[in-house]
Amino acid sequence: QKEVEQNSGPLSVPEGAIASLNCTYSDRGSQSFFWYRQYSGKSPELIMSIYSNGDKEDGRFTAQLNKASQYVSLLIRDSQPSDSATYLCAVNDPGGGADGLTFGKGTHLIIQP
Amino acid sequence: ETGVTQTPRHLVMGMTNKKSLKCEQHLGHNAMYWYKQSAKKPLELMFVYNFKEQTENNSVPSRFSPECPNSSHLFLHLHTLQPEDSALYLCASSRAIAGASTDTQYFGPGTRLTVL
Repeated sequence: QKEVEQNSGPLSVPEGAIASLNCTYSDRGSQSFFWYRQYSGKSPELIMSIYSNGDKEDGRFTAQLNKASQYVSLLIRDSQPSDSATYLCAVNDPGGGADGLTFGKGTHLIIQP
Repeated sequence: ETGVTQTPRHLVMGMTNKKSLKCEQHLGHNAMYWYKQSAKKPLELMFVYNFKEQTENNSVPSRFSPECPNSSHLFLHLHTLQPEDSALYLCASSRAIAGASTDTQYFGPGTRLTVL
């Protein structure tokens, strides 16, 4: 049974600070990793994808992957109130092609003005 | 993301009703997915279709019946549901390139289903 673990929070961060979201996964063969943002009552929206060890930056967002530790993180710099949402970590199988994602329960992030 | 649309957006049905959820993707993708999101639970994969063929059924009860007539359309037929089936049902699509592990899924807005 593949598992993806996240701290459900809520994680409260002051506006302008760095928000750090963490995720661990159980399947060592996983190769694709995703962060989705989900506002209350809305569907998940892709924020970042990462496939190789190290950091990947996109604007205020940085994804970090450490396959040896089976650990993925998302950093949000200069946090804004609009970043308040639930962040979902998702992991894909190594088979390639169409595979379902395994999701964590999500971390509820609150940016305090 | 208007690339994946779902109808209806909200649905209330009794346990004896039969209804269908519809998903359409305008992204030229080859794979489509149904997920269920219940309160306090992670998103759960239900079905995967790749080039119209079902490639995964995640032990879903038979009261949920998927249909994929082509790569752009996906349906979820519902009958004799239970109150615990009330959830947000999300459709997603992806390119699904064979052998590529970099496939990205894009979600529709979801259908909020309430079973009375």
